[in-house]
Amino acid sequence: DAKTTQPPSMDCAEGRAANLPCNHSTISGNEYVYWYRQIHSQGPQYIIHGLKNNETNEMASLIITEDRKSSTLILPHATLRDTAVYYCIVRVNSGGSNYKLTFGKGTLLTVNP
Amino acid sequence: KAGVTQTPRYLIKTRGQQVTLSCSPISGHRSVSWYQQTPGQGLQFLFEYFSETQRNKGNFPGRFSGRQFSNSRSEMNVSTLELGDSALYLCASSLGGQGVGYEQYFGPGTRLTVT
Repeated sequence: DAKTTQPPSMDCAEGRAANLPCNHSTISGNEYVYWYRQIHSQGPQYIIHGLKNNETNEMASLIITEDRKSSTLILPHATLRDTAVYYCIVRVNSGGSNYKLTFGKGTLLTVNP
Repeated sequence: KAGVTQTPRYLIKTRGQQVTLSCSPISGHRSVSWYQQTPGQGLQFLFEYFSETQRNKGNFPGRFSGRQFSNSRSEMNVSTLELGDSALYLCASSLGGQGVGYEQYFGPGTRLTVT
């Protein structure tokens, strides 16, 4: 799986949009970008994933640059409950050998009142 | 739909003992993966089971083993516990099929303390 780079920490004001960047300059054409988050002492939570097009669901939006070398996770209206470590992971979605997620250190997002 | 459940939630064991942790995946999910999380090493993949067969394995010693039952429930076992095995053990389930359902859904974890 391609390596990802994320800032170690970010702050965001409650109610504002949180934009979390991820660099994955060595991503291959068949690798997807996944985002998970982990609230303190809980299991990681799947947020969203995408290949090339921007994606949106009820939790967040994922913007992937045209060259796919970086992406941004957007939480449109951050709340205090969004304080968590956010992990960006790239992986291939094919075959039975790809149910292994490689987690980096992630970004600790702190949402302030 | 019920989420992934793990039992027990907390466990204290003594060095040299063995331990068995249990995971029940989301109904209909056939793939179960196990991860270990420690402050020093972060989240690390242990192994993944699909249809009662180990399909992927991480870089952990043979003291760590697992199995999956016909109802997709999974157990992991750690023998001859060491102090360094103290960690949060997480189980994740996914559909497991080809081309679909690669998202993994995690349980709350089992906090193991080895003294």
